Amino acid sequence: GENVEQHPSTLSVQEGDSAVIKCTYSDSASNYFPWYKQELGKGPQLIIDIRSNVGEKKDQRIAVTLNKTAKHFSLHITETQPEDSAVYFCAPLPPGTYKYIFGTGTRLKVLA
Amino acid sequence: NAGVTQTPKFQVLKTGQSMTLQCAQDMNHEYMSWYRQDPGMGLRLIHYSVGAGITDQGEVPNGYNVSRSTTEDFPLRLLSAAPSQTSVYFCASRQPGTRGRTGEQFFGPGTRLTVL
Repeated sequence: GENVEQHPSTLSVQEGDSAVIKCTYSDSASNYFPWYKQELGKGPQLIIDIRSNVGEKKDQRIAVTLNKTAKHFSLHITETQPEDSAVYFCAPLPPGTYKYIFGTGTRLKVLA
Repeated sequence: NAGVTQTPKFQVLKTGQSMTLQCAQDMNHEYMSWYRQDPGMGLRLIHYSVGAGITDQGEVPNGYNVSRSTTEDFPLRLLSAAPSQTSVYFCASRQPGTRGRTGEQFFGPGTRLTVL
């Protein structure tokens, strides 16, 4: 089955700096790569996703890049703001399955 | 739309008690799932359903039962609660996706369960 690792587990950045979180997966068949943001006391929320036929996708300050050969994808947040402080999860998904395997999460702290 | 709703928000049980966590969605989503979240372990899939009357096991199904009699509701039953089931439980729903796109997964606010 899919083995998913996220790094780093915690990340502190100054407001305005960039943050990068990396997700490594084992199942080369995975073709859907989402990132979720979880604020304290709430359920996770999808913030950006990418499919395997695309190398990069951007949405304002957030971007996701995919390296299928190396089996990893990364979340990039630019111009970080205090409201970006949260836990971020990756959850790559192979085709034909409904079983998301989540990474262990990255706690991002943006220091004002 | 209320989205995905879960009740109760908090629950304390004694070992051996049974209870049902409720989950409902008003988006007419076919797929629904239950996850548990433990510190440092991310979310792990307990059970999921791809439509009314169809359920299947996830990573950690032992000690839990589910059924799906309607599209809207997907209750999770703890048969005989154990301290190892202390966790935060999340329900989620999504559509299957069309034209090669995967439907966005929406999560409820969670139920925090403590088993003494």
